[in-house]
Amino acid sequence: EDQVTQSPEALRLQEGESSSLNCSYTVSGLRGLFWYRQDPGKGPEFLFTLYSAGEEKEKERLKATLTKKESFLHITAPKPEDSATYLCAVQEYGGATNKLIFGTGTLLAVQP
Amino acid sequence: DAGVTQSPTHLIKTRGQQVTLRCSPKSGHDTVSWYQQALGQGPQFIFQYYEEEERQRGNFPDRFSGHQFPNYSSELNVNALLLGDSALYLCASSSNTEAFFGQGTRLTVV
Repeated sequence: EDQVTQSPEALRLQEGESSSLNCSYTVSGLRGLFWYRQDPGKGPEFLFTLYSAGEEKEKERLKATLTKKESFLHITAPKPEDSATYLCAVQEYGGATNKLIFGTGTLLAVQP
Repeated sequence: DAGVTQSPTHLIKTRGQQVTLRCSPKSGHDTVSWYQQALGQGPQFIFQYYEEEERQRGNFPDRFSGHQFPNYSSELNVNALLLGDSALYLCASSSNTEAFFGQGTRLTVV
């Protein structure tokens, strides 16, 4: 069964304290791995799509990396405005749709 | 570009009632998916529409139904509402390489 597990469930950082969020996945064939940011009561905001092991993408203080079993979202020198829930999702090859299978997210709080 | 738009933003319904949620996809996208997100959980796939047909359904009962119109906009209908249907309902429009979400409709069933 396809599965996505995110860790930690919650993370509290001081402003400027870099860290990483983990997303491990089990899927028969990975078509794409997606990262989203979600603010309370809002829809997920698209960050990155990664397609193959070794791929990396960056956006401001965020960098996403991908291996054959997991993805990391590295946050460098975070600011309080980076506080949000970060969701990881996978898309599988061979299905009739391009549906996304989500993890439960990591709640990040960055304190000034 | 307006992105993905959903309406209404909030809704309160009584158990047993029916509800219709609406979604307009991002310009250039022809595929619309619906997700249910309970508090503290990741979004769960309900179904996807392409070319006005349902392509795949997640593990949701037949009380959940949908429709896609020729202009690619979509509706999600839920009949015989239960308290457990209270959630944030998200619409996503997609191409082959990207999937963008709307702001969601917060449904509360009382």
